Amino acid sequence: EAGVTQFPSHSVIEKGQTVTLRCDPISGHDNLYWYRRVMGKEIKFLLHFVKESKQDESGMPNNRFLAERTGGTYSTLKVQPAELEDSGVYFCASSQGVAGATEQFFGPGTRLTVL
Amino acid sequence: GQNIDQPTEMTATEGAIVQINCTYQTSGFNGLFWYQQHAGEAPTFLSYNVLDGLEEKGRFSSFLSRSKGYSYLLLKELQMKDSASYLCAVRDRWSGGYNKLIFGAGTRLAVHP
Repeated sequence: EAGVTQFPSHSVIEKGQTVTLRCDPISGHDNLYWYRRVMGKEIKFLLHFVKESKQDESGMPNNRFLAERTGGTYSTLKVQPAELEDSGVYFCASSQGVAGATEQFFGPGTRLTVL
Repeated sequence: GQNIDQPTEMTATEGAIVQINCTYQTSGFNGLFWYQQHAGEAPTFLSYNVLDGLEEKGRFSSFLSRSKGYSYLLLKELQMKDSASYLCAVRDRWSGGYNKLIFGAGTRLAVHP
C-alpha cells in the first residue's frame, strides 16, 4: 500500500512569490491534515479536512494560506504571497475513519525555503 | 495553554535501554502518541496510549499517567538504527473533532557503539 506522498520535496522561492504544495493521502483515508515545522520549533497543526470539508482550520497562520481538497482526495496548500517566515517543512498526514480516532500517517514533507 | 516538554537530546550505548520522558499540559486530552523521525523522512508511528499504564510492542514500550500529565517511551536492546528524533504528541479534544495533534519539539537520540 502506498503511503502519503507530497510534492515537491523541496521548493525555493523568493519573497512575494506563490507556491503550491500537494499532498496525496493514503487511498481511502477520509481525514487529511497539514502540519508545519519551522526551523528549531515543534511540528504545529495547520488544518484538518474530513473528505472535502474543512473540519478544523484553527492553525492556519493567516489568509495568505489557502488549503483545498476538491473531491476529497488529494489536497493542495497554496501560500500567496510567500514571506520569509513561511520557510519550514510542511507535512501532510492522513488517517482512516470519520471520527479519525486512529493513528495519523505522515508524508515525508515539503521543505519550503523563502528567500 | 498547550505545552509539551521532552528532553532535547539524549545519548545511549548500543544494546542498552533508554527512557525518553514527556510531560504535557493541554486543554484537552484524547490520547498520546509517540513517533520516530529519521532526518529528512516522515514521522512514523510507534505507539499510542489513551488509558493509564504500559503498552508494550517488541523493543518499544510506552507508559502513560493522565493524572500526572506524563508519558515515557522505553527503548530496549538499542540498535544503531534507533538513532533518530522521537516525537511526543497529544491528541487534542475539540468540539468539532478529536484529531489535532500537539507535538513536543522532539528528542534527538544518538546511539553509540
